[in-house]
Amino acid sequence: QQQVKQSPQSLIVQKGGISIINCAYENTAFDYFPWYQQFPGKGPALLIAIRPDVSEKKEGRFTISFNKSAKQFSLHIMDSQPGDSATYFCAASKETSGSRLTFGEGTQLTVNP
Amino acid sequence: DGGITQSPKYLFRKEGQNVTLSCEQNLNHDAMYWYRQDPGQGLRLIYYSQIVNDFQKGDIAEGYSVSREKKESFPLTVTSAQKNPTAFYLCASTVWSSQANYGYTFGSGTRLTVV
Repeated sequence: QQQVKQSPQSLIVQKGGISIINCAYENTAFDYFPWYQQFPGKGPALLIAIRPDVSEKKEGRFTISFNKSAKQFSLHIMDSQPGDSATYFCAASKETSGSRLTFGEGTQLTVNP
Repeated sequence: DGGITQSPKYLFRKEGQNVTLSCEQNLNHDAMYWYRQDPGQGLRLIYYSQIVNDFQKGDIAEGYSVSREKKESFPLTVTSAQKNPTAFYLCASTVWSSQANYGYTFGSGTRLTVV
């Protein structure tokens, strides 16, 4: 009920390409879905988040697509750059701030120049 | 600058020894969290606290203990009962609100190694 499944575990993309990371959740009570970006030796940082009342949210080169009926959401990174190379985590929780986040397993993205 | 400070950055523990990881925030956040990160396993919740003098177990609390005597501080003790403590430990905090979710702010982590 509390799991969030993330795929792929690792992803290699050429500079300028599109990176796509997928997540699936089980708990229908979840209504807040953030993505975090983590560089080596650092803590994760909030990248972008979506709520289930919309199917897509875009911020710059980063887009979240959300499919409520399938209980899936994905992160798309357009025009991927070497500086995007990092580990990406999806997560889910209830809308109320302070609710515990359940994280996916993480995707290590490498963007080759 | 506001943020979360975790110390030390690296910590070495001998077998059978208790160690305490520090987490301090000056963001005036209500809720604080401890996560453990292992390769390929994502972030797993150890303990969390939504208010001073109160905390709850997460998914992997065995072998760990916490306290929340001050709003800005949430130290984690890794006890000798934790059989596999080598990991990267992350502290996070957030504002408590019933109106919106503001996401977590994370510290830079403490890497604990058993020697």
